Amino acid sequence: GAGVSQSPSNKVTEKGKDVELRCDPISGHTALYWYRQRLGQGLEFLIYFQGNSAPDKSGLPSDRFSAERTGESVSTLTIQRTQQEDSAVYLCASSLLDSYNEQFFGPGTRLTVL
Amino acid sequence: AQSVAQPEDQVNVAEGNPLTVKCTYSVSGNPYLFWYVQYPNRGLQFLLKYITGDNLVKGSYGFEAEFNKSQTSFHLKKPSALVSDSALYFCAVRDMGGYQKVTFGTGTKLQVIP
Repeated sequence: GAGVSQSPSNKVTEKGKDVELRCDPISGHTALYWYRQRLGQGLEFLIYFQGNSAPDKSGLPSDRFSAERTGESVSTLTIQRTQQEDSAVYLCASSLLDSYNEQFFGPGTRLTVL
Repeated sequence: AQSVAQPEDQVNVAEGNPLTVKCTYSVSGNPYLFWYVQYPNRGLQFLLKYITGDNLVKGSYGFEAEFNKSQTSFHLKKPSALVSDSALYFCAVRDMGGYQKVTFGTGTKLQVIP
């Protein structure tokens, strides 16, 4: 079956503009994660959707960042009033809900803020 | 709170030699432990995981990892390194209790020298 898909693959925007990034998880995966990876850096946790429970938003860096998920399907990550420091690759991952299941990662969206 | 430490930013090893990438963890309960690999310009891929049972876990591409509860470690190993193993390796942990997010280490860059 299809893996995790993300769109767009690349996004160039001007400082101050809003951007919306999309993630389509693997069908049946009830857990969904967003991460940020700056150039040459590790993974920075942003947000975690876990089935029908309230999402864990503890990693969102500021109130300019928000994310939604419709049921157990698509998720969107929105960054308002983008800043240059938001430039990074944004990775989405999904997994089955049980804690021992590995995550499947999408190819990422490379965001460049000019 | 749970955490993961990868003490080495980079590991260099000669092709054909054994390799070890270190990982230590901290969780309040029992851990689920994971290794992921990120090849240049590609997404993260799952390598292997420890859930329970045998402390030595075998995974993809000839990699294995040994769970050591007393030392709270989960080092990644391979008996004979290949140049194609050069990549960024991430260790991750999740507490066995509850639906907690996965915590990733900062990553270790493995360079296999021909």
